[in-house]
Amino acid sequence: AQKVTQAQTEISVVEKEDVTLDCVYETRDTTYYLFWYKQPPSGELVFLIRRNSFDEQNEISGRYSWNFQKSTSSFNFTITASQVVDSAVYFCALSQWGTYKYIFGTGTRLKVLA
Amino acid sequence: GAVVSQHPSRVICKSGTSVKIECRSLDFQATTMFWYRQFPKQSLMLMATSNEGSKATYEQGVEKDKFLINHASLTLSTLTVTSAHPEDSSFYICSALGGEEIENIQYFGAGTRLSVL
Repeated sequence: AQKVTQAQTEISVVEKEDVTLDCVYETRDTTYYLFWYKQPPSGELVFLIRRNSFDEQNEISGRYSWNFQKSTSSFNFTITASQVVDSAVYFCALSQWGTYKYIFGTGTRLKVLA
Repeated sequence: GAVVSQHPSRVICKSGTSVKIECRSLDFQATTMFWYRQFPKQSLMLMATSNEGSKATYEQGVEKDKFLINHASLTLSTLTVTSAHPEDSSFYICSALGGEEIENIQYFGAGTRLSVL
């Protein structure tokens, strides 16, 4: 069975702090995709990153970075120097290669306080 | 690029009426679109997969006669909530699956908040 676990329900940080959002997944597939999306209060899910199971390189995009480790089935997301605009719910998702259906985690609500 | 428009953003209707929600991919063609439902402070629940020119595939437990899906073109899918009741009140979100040029990623609309009185 496929499953995505985001154990952190809600995190509060003060602006400029770094914060890491955890994502642990389960799958029997050898080929799959992992994603992160941001859902601000407006409701729209905004695509942040896709990673396929063959590519374990970490990625950095501005203040965002992602750490993918197949050995621990984790795909963690770090925001450096957080800002109030980062306040949102962040979802991690898993997709089976070829089906494109997502299995979402339960989301982590991030509150960045000024 | 990869913009998905969902309309309306909010709708309030009386119990027993039907409501149609549109999902459009504005700058790409989407052979596959997805419809989700999200309850407050919860994750997204996939309701159905919509494929252009064919019948939608519904997830287990989703009533196909209650939630009618039509995907008549490569840029438009509609979800009709028929004979809506208060328990259908929810946040409905669509997504469109990008083609090879945008790496088969789901791009989401802004959602529709349905309130049934």
